Amino acid sequence: GESVGLHLPTLSVQEGDNSIINCAYSNSASDYFIWYKQESGKGPQFIIDIRSNMDKRQGQRVTVLLNKTVKHLSLQIAATQPGDSAVYFCAESGLGTYKYIFGTGTRLKVLA
Amino acid sequence: DAGVTQSPTHLIKTRGQQVTLRCSPISGHKSVSWYQQVLGQGPQFIFQYYEKEERGRGNFPDRFSARQFPNYSSELNVNALLLGDSALYLCASTGIETQYFGPGTRLLVL
Repeated sequence: GESVGLHLPTLSVQEGDNSIINCAYSNSASDYFIWYKQESGKGPQFIIDIRSNMDKRQGQRVTVLLNKTVKHLSLQIAATQPGDSAVYFCAESGLGTYKYIFGTGTRLKVLA
Repeated sequence: DAGVTQSPTHLIKTRGQQVTLRCSPISGHKSVSWYQQVLGQGPQFIFQYYEKEERGRGNFPDRFSARQFPNYSSELNVNALLLGDSALYLCASTGIETQYFGPGTRLLVL
């Protein structure tokens, strides 16, 4: 069935390094992709989104890349900080649909 | 502006009981979605309501129901609770397209 999956369940990076979190999606009809950050005991927090007519979008310290050919999404975090430690989810949504399909998440650990 | 609010924050129930969870969306948002998040997994879609009408439903049994009020707040009801209903229940508010989540209600069924 439709799913959004992540390649790495846990990612450990040194403070100050760049982080890359990957996500594979299976529904080629999806046209809207979102990254969320979830800290312990809190709800998912919106980070950045991208439409299928784009292949890159940048925010503050974050960049999302979309490769529709291989149905792959990635989140790049520049100069990773301790406050970036959390679980990161990608989600997909199709044109005209109303539900987001989430993956299982990647835990990012920032080492001092 | 206040974000999405949910109540209660935590809840403990026993099997067979019924529970009602509440959500208030971001001011100006007319759509509310409900998700269930089991520990260690991503959120799973339960319902979406827009202008008080159900727009969609996920693969959940009829024990789960919801409604949206004229002020766009929403309630999620779960009847005949099972141990497997223990989870974080998330409400998301939608303006144009992006869903913004509340802090969730953690439900424990004993």
